[in-house]
Amino acid sequence: GQNIDQPTEMTATEGAIVQINCTYQTSGFNGLFWYQQHAGEAPTFLSYNVLDGLEEKGRFSSFLSRSKGYSYLLLKELQMKDSASYLCAAMDSNYQLIWGAGTKLIIKP
Amino acid sequence: ETGVTQTPRHLVMGMTNKKSLKCEQHLGHNAMYWYKQSAKKPLELMFVYNFKEQTENNSVPSRFSPECPNSSHLFLHLHTLQPEDSALYLCASSQGRDPQIGEQYFGPGTRLTVT
Repeated sequence: GQNIDQPTEMTATEGAIVQINCTYQTSGFNGLFWYQQHAGEAPTFLSYNVLDGLEEKGRFSSFLSRSKGYSYLLLKELQMKDSASYLCAAMDSNYQLIWGAGTKLIIKP
Repeated sequence: ETGVTQTPRHLVMGMTNKKSLKCEQHLGHNAMYWYKQSAKKPLELMFVYNFKEQTENNSVPSRFSPECPNSSHLFLHLHTLQPEDSALYLCASSQGRDPQIGEQYFGPGTRLTVT
C-alpha cells in the first residue's frame, strides 16, 4: 500500500533549527512536496524535490533520498510565525498526491 | 490570498439538507481538486478534474456530487450527509497534473458540520 509517515508534533525554540522527517512508500514516484498550513488557513507550497539532494530556499531547505524513501524539511532561525503544521506529500506514478497527516510544529520563545 | 476562493467558509447542515460548496480559481489553471481534511488525518483526495473532465473519483460516496462547468469553477453538491462527513473541505488547482509544471494551490476551505 501507499503510505507517508511523519511525526505528529514537534516543539522547538525561537531562533533554533528544527528538522521534520518524512518517509514514504508509493507506487512509482513523481516527487515529494512540503506544504505549510497555519491553523484555519489553506496549505501553502514550500518545496518540491524530485532528484536526490538538498534544495535551499531562504530559511527553509528540503532534502530527498529516493533510494531510502526519505525526505526532511529543515527550518533555520525559527520565528514564532513558523508555528504551523507541515504536510509531506509524495506523488505516485498516476500523479496522485499521497499525504501525510502533518507535523504540528510548536515554537516557544 | 492564493488565487483560489471558496464559499461558504463555514456551513452547518442537517442530515436531510442539500447544499453546495463553491470553488473558484483565478490562476488560469487546468486542473482542480476536492480534498477532505479531518483532524489528525491525511488529506483525502476526493475528485480531480482536468480540463473540465473528471479524471478521478476516489471511492467517494454518492452523497457527494462534483460539478465542473468550466476550468475556473468547481462545485461539490452535498445531500443526505452523515455526521462523519463533518470536516474541512479544501479545493485546489494546478496548471496540470505533472508536478514539473507547478504545484497545487489551495483555497481556505469550507468548515462543514453535519448535525
